Amino acid sequence: AQSVTQLGSHVSVSEGALVLLRCNYSSSVPPYLFWYVQYPNQGLQLLLKYTSAATLVKGINGFEAEFKKSETSFHLTKPSAHMSDAAEYFCAVSEGFGNEKLTFGTGTRLTIIP
Amino acid sequence: KAGVTQTPRYLIKTRGQQVTLSCSPISGHRSVSWYQQTPGQGLQFLFEYFSETQRNKGNFPGRFSGRQFSNSRSEMNVSTLELGDSALYLCASLDRQETQYFGPGTRLLVL
Repeated sequence: AQSVTQLGSHVSVSEGALVLLRCNYSSSVPPYLFWYVQYPNQGLQLLLKYTSAATLVKGINGFEAEFKKSETSFHLTKPSAHMSDAAEYFCAVSEGFGNEKLTFGTGTRLTIIP
Repeated sequence: KAGVTQTPRYLIKTRGQQVTLSCSPISGHRSVSWYQQTPGQGLQFLFEYFSETQRNKGNFPGRFSGRQFSNSRSEMNVSTLELGDSALYLCASLDRQETQYFGPGTRLLVL
């Protein structure tokens, strides 16, 4: 069975500071990993995904994530936070091709301090 | 391309009623998945349809059902509504690269 753990339900950073949102996964097979963002009263928007190609994945809005198999981690980072990054972020795992079920973490709410 | 669309966006029902939600996937996408989002349980997978067949199912009671039509549009039905069914219901369509694209959701309130 697959699972995702997001450390920190709330993270606050100052505008211009580094954003680091943590995600650890558990999967019995090589996983597909995703980060989604959700703004208030909206659906989920894909930020980036890992599908066993390059371990450093670049996404939209300046975000990137690094797949570390030894640490079973897929942390999301952004060098410089912007006010518009305030939202809830979800890490998700699927067991790859042929398994369309996404298992989500509990989410991290990111607050940007002016 | 137009994104995933869901109707209605908001719905208020009373306990015991039933409800049907609709989802139109991105053009060309044949797989549609449904998720329930609540503050207590987070995002949970309901089921997934491909070419009018249910391929995957989550751990929800039989009151939750779905179907998919030949044009890939999908509907989700919840019968005998309970207060705990109040949630944001999200639909997603899957592209050939195994990426799910989500719609804006239908917010259901059960009174």
